[in-house]
Amino acid sequence: DGGITQSPKYLFRKEGQNVTLSCEQNLNHDAMYWYRQDPGQGLRLIYYSQIVNDFQKGDIAEGYSVSREKKESFPLTVTSAQKNPTAFYLCASSPGGGSNQPQHFGDGTRLSIL
Amino acid sequence: GDSVTQMEGPVTLSEEAFLTINCTYTATGYPSLFWYVQYPGEGLQLLLKATKADDKGSNKGFEATYRKETTSFHLEKGSVQVSDSAVYFCALSRNAGGTSYGKLTFGQGTILTVHP
Repeated sequence: DGGITQSPKYLFRKEGQNVTLSCEQNLNHDAMYWYRQDPGQGLRLIYYSQIVNDFQKGDIAEGYSVSREKKESFPLTVTSAQKNPTAFYLCASSPGGGSNQPQHFGDGTRLSIL
Repeated sequence: GDSVTQMEGPVTLSEEAFLTINCTYTATGYPSLFWYVQYPGEGLQLLLKATKADDKGSNKGFEATYRKETTSFHLEKGSVQVSDSAVYFCALSRNAGGTSYGKLTFGQGTILTVHP
């Protein structure tokens, strides 16, 4: 079945450490997204990519970095500059090409600080 | 900028009760509107969508009508089940600046708990 796979499901970060969250899709979608979810809040956009080798900052990009070297992969790195990284991180993809295309989500990665 | 406001939760209902979760939005132009559902420990799943005024989205007994005059997209279900317990998110998407990336703006989510 086609879908989005995020790994790991749980991740722990030490102070001063960078960690990378994996996101892979086999839906042949052009666009991919990273969101952060905090308790009692909606999702906030971190980064998005419309096409391979191109990506744009979302609303809360500080302390994060991404790459898009392959169509199916969009890893997110949480750097040591992100002072409050504890959250649930969701990756999504869409066919692109218009606002009426719904996004498909992975099952998320929960990041905590040791 | 764009924004989505949902009724505050949590909402607690008995099985077979009628459900309404209010959603209003602020956006220029003609956004597409979505309801997503999130079960515990999982990602979001698309529940339904509407792409133009007066459209009605429906799925699994849930319905929502795109009302441009009131900028609303309220979610309704006639008879809820215990399995409907989840967090529900209203969201909008519009093209911005000529690009077509379909950026979603979410409401804060409404927790629904249904008791037997």
